[in-house]
Amino acid sequence: NAGVMQNPRHLVRRRGQEARLRCSPMKGHSHVYWYRQLPEEGLKFMVYLQKENIIDESGMPKERFSAEFPKEGPSILRIQQVVRGDSAAYFCASSPQVGDQPQHFGDGTRLSIL
Amino acid sequence: TQLLEQSPQFLSIQEGENLTVYCNSSSVFSSLQWYRQEPGEGPVLLVTVVTGGEVKKLKRLTFQFGDARKDSSLHITAAQPGDTGLYLCADITTPHGTNAGKSTFGDGTTLTVKP
Repeated sequence: NAGVMQNPRHLVRRRGQEARLRCSPMKGHSHVYWYRQLPEEGLKFMVYLQKENIIDESGMPKERFSAEFPKEGPSILRIQQVVRGDSAAYFCASSPQVGDQPQHFGDGTRLSIL
Repeated sequence: TQLLEQSPQFLSIQEGENLTVYCNSSSVFSSLQWYRQEPGEGPVLLVTVVTGGEVKKLKRLTFQFGDARKDSSLHITAAQPGDTGLYLCADITTPHGTNAGKSTFGDGTTLTVKP
């Protein structure tokens, strides 16, 4: 999955801490999507962003979760006051500016909550 | 809300066997994708199908899209251990007024090919 870069690949947090997940889209892509995956399940849509704008956050929990995609720098998915249920793999995808092209996925961040 | 149901959930076969996995949607697909995901990695796109009745081949993989665009199958001939992975189907929906869309995924079929 060269192109979409996510870091860190693994993140361990204790309950109550904050988790910050970063995603750098493929060059030339201005659409970023975040998905969450639980073991042996498919990916569940969380949020869709374009540069400096949240387009669709219908899949994101109303509390503790936020996302941004600033004009400069990577997209950030932020989880405040993490709980055990936040443990999952979080994937970022990006797509080109024009057209509904298939999304290119990063290799994810595995978040573990102790 | 669109629901994608994949079957079987798990499949374990011997090297050299053939297999078929299925994806059914509660509504008509906009644009169907099949992905393969290996442990510790993100999904990798295998194929996109748009037209009802369409058949696409990718080496030993054959993808069929139902005429009504609500179901699809993936057939693998002479499976190899390298085919092991999670096979996901997905639909891209494009929100009104935007140029790109989010994907709705099924829960996948976990395929294990034993040597």
